[in-house]
Amino acid sequence: GAGVSQSPSNKVTEKGKDVELRCDPISGHTALYWYRQSLGQGLEFLIYFQGNSAPDKSGLPSDRFSAERTGGSVSTLTIQRTQQEDSAVYLCASSLGQGAGNTEAFFGQGTRLTVV
Amino acid sequence: AQSVTQLDSQVPVFEEAPVELRCNYSSSVSVYLFWYVQYPNQGLQLLLKYLSGSTLVESINGFEAEFNKSQTSFHLRKPSVHISDTAEYFCAVSETSGSRLTFGEGTQLTVNP
Repeated sequence: GAGVSQSPSNKVTEKGKDVELRCDPISGHTALYWYRQSLGQGLEFLIYFQGNSAPDKSGLPSDRFSAERTGGSVSTLTIQRTQQEDSAVYLCASSLGQGAGNTEAFFGQGTRLTVV
Repeated sequence: AQSVTQLDSQVPVFEEAPVELRCNYSSSVSVYLFWYVQYPNQGLQLLLKYLSGSTLVESINGFEAEFNKSQTSFHLRKPSVHISDTAEYFCAVSETSGSRLTFGEGTQLTVNP
């Protein structure tokens, strides 16, 4: 596609429910990131996929959060038993990969998650 | 592991004034450095980047940033700002070995008439 696509754009869920957020990266991009942006906060790193390497999960805030990337393309971020503090904009980005010139990250428009 | 510090969370300035948004990073190895901009109600987009070579890099809309290795800084500057420059600016770093992209907390630049 022309850019990074995220769905849904908005999601309202009840506390305790599970949610799945989807990211379609730019075709051919081997690196994929998930970040979280809370009101008045910076970008909090969640997880990073690079090719076939084991993902860097060091930013996931709890075991309620998980992500997978199927076939090196589409990624799904799953939040189980959502809490109100999970409310934020979840951003996905992709890049060509490693090495100079390949590191520019292209961002999607984000999914605004509201837990009520 | 790398980290980024943006020293100012809010920078209000008047139109046509100069501005500097400060960014310092921490890393034990060589890095790539980036500034991203987020205009109101829009997604993040790359403003400029330092990969190698000349330490002074420029954007198409008049911003520039200088990589200073000894001070581990990558401050963003513009000699004369416009109201349309109002946005949140994020500094980011990744290690050349191929690590994740780490962002600072962001600086909200507000340009007033």
